[in-house]
Amino acid sequence: EDQVTQSPEALRLQEGESSSLNCSYTVSGLRGLFWYRQDPGKGPEFLFTLYSAGEEKEKERLKATLTKKESFLHITAPKPEDSATYLCAVASPNSGSARQLTFGSGTQLTVLP
Amino acid sequence: DAGITQSPRHKVTETGTPVTLRCHQTENHRYMYWYRQDPGHGLRLIHYSYGVKDTDKGEVSDGYSVSRSKTEDFLLTLESATSSQTSVYFCAISDAGVAANYGYTFGSGTRLTVV
Repeated sequence: EDQVTQSPEALRLQEGESSSLNCSYTVSGLRGLFWYRQDPGKGPEFLFTLYSAGEEKEKERLKATLTKKESFLHITAPKPEDSATYLCAVASPNSGSARQLTFGSGTQLTVLP
Repeated sequence: DAGITQSPRHKVTETGTPVTLRCHQTENHRYMYWYRQDPGHGLRLIHYSYGVKDTDKGEVSDGYSVSRSKTEDFLLTLESATSSQTSVYFCAISDAGVAANYGYTFGSGTRLTVV
């Protein structure tokens, strides 16, 4: 059974204070690791997909990295508008024919002005 | 969200009544999913569909049924609502094709309260 654990559950940063969110996973064979952003009252919004250890992807102040056991979402010089819940998910051979994803519980990020 | 809509957005219902939530897409994606989101549990898969009339159970399917009679519509029915089914329900779509990155597009969610 695939498992995804995100830490910390909540994180408060001052504007400009860089930090990282962690996503640890246990899968039989990773076929993809996904990061989503979710704003209050809305559905998750896709950010990145990572496929293999060593891969990195960037979007504005966000950078996602992947190792064989975990992924990090680095936030550089965050702004208040980066406040959201960040979700991590994995796909594996257990995902089945419909490519179901297994999600972590998320990290709620608050960036204070 | 563009291409996928959920209805209703909010619903309050009584214990024991049947409830149907609707997900409609205009993207012609093959795969559709129903997830529920609860504090401390994240998103958990209820049911999914891989084509018209092709559906299967997810992790937390007890008490739920689904139907997909058209590519664009995926219905989730709570056969007899219970308080434990109070949650936020999300529909997602995916084309999951050869070049796809497995990324989902999510709807805006339905907040269901069972009293």
